[in-house]
Amino acid sequence: QVQLQESGPGLVKPSQTLSLTCTVSGGAISSADHYWSWIRQHPGKGPEWIGYIYYSGSTHYNPSLKSRPTISVDTSKNQFFLKMNSVTAADTAVYYCARQHRLPGAFVGFDIWGPGTMVTVSS
Amino acid sequence: EIVMTQSPATLSVSPGESATLSCRASQSVSRNLAWYQQKAGLAPRLLIYGASTRATGIPARFSGSGSETEFTLTISSLQSEDFAVYYCQQYNVWPPWYTFGQGTKLEIK
Repeated sequence: QVQLQESGPGLVKPSQTLSLTCTVSGGAISSADHYWSWIRQHPGKGPEWIGYIYYSGSTHYNPSLKSRPTISVDTSKNQFFLKMNSVTAADTAVYYCARQHRLPGAFVGFDIWGPGTMVTVSS
Repeated sequence: EIVMTQSPATLSVSPGESATLSCRASQSVSRNLAWYQQKAGLAPRLLIYGASTRATGIPARFSGSGSETEFTLTISSLQSEDFAVYYCQQYNVWPPWYTFGQGTKLEIK
């Protein structure tokens, strides 16, 4: 079955760029049927959707994050990526990658999640 | 931004009883509402989408209802593995924008 795994530095300095990778196994990221999302969760809070990418490279982002995140994909490696610039302590969170089905006019939930990776922003 | 408000923050219920969790949207989301369960140290798990459709493999004791701004997740005959934090999530299909509530912790009474 499809599995997702996040990876990347656990510590990032303020003002620098956070970079994470999500590796998809057990299925093709180039599936026409899925979007691939990044979601984060601050300690003790509800999750926050960051954005998603389609295998073609088209993206959509949470408007409240004000153009800071960039999501990209490498179909040859079955991976997608998150970069977030100018990080502050407020970006300290557990970061998840997740899958959602691509259905015209509908959303059926984030059905598969990675285990998450903790990122701390601190000098 | 649509704000999702969940109540209560903590709910104490005995095993075998039923639990009712509430979620309110700051504006109508039609039936574009999902529920997730999260246990400590783990990723959220999808339970319900479309306000009332159970995701694959979810037991029938989990049921969702509601529309527009008021939604409910009911868990009947609580099992020990059901004690966790539950989140509601609204989804605006286009342009895509998904927001979660702050969660309800379901604890053993």
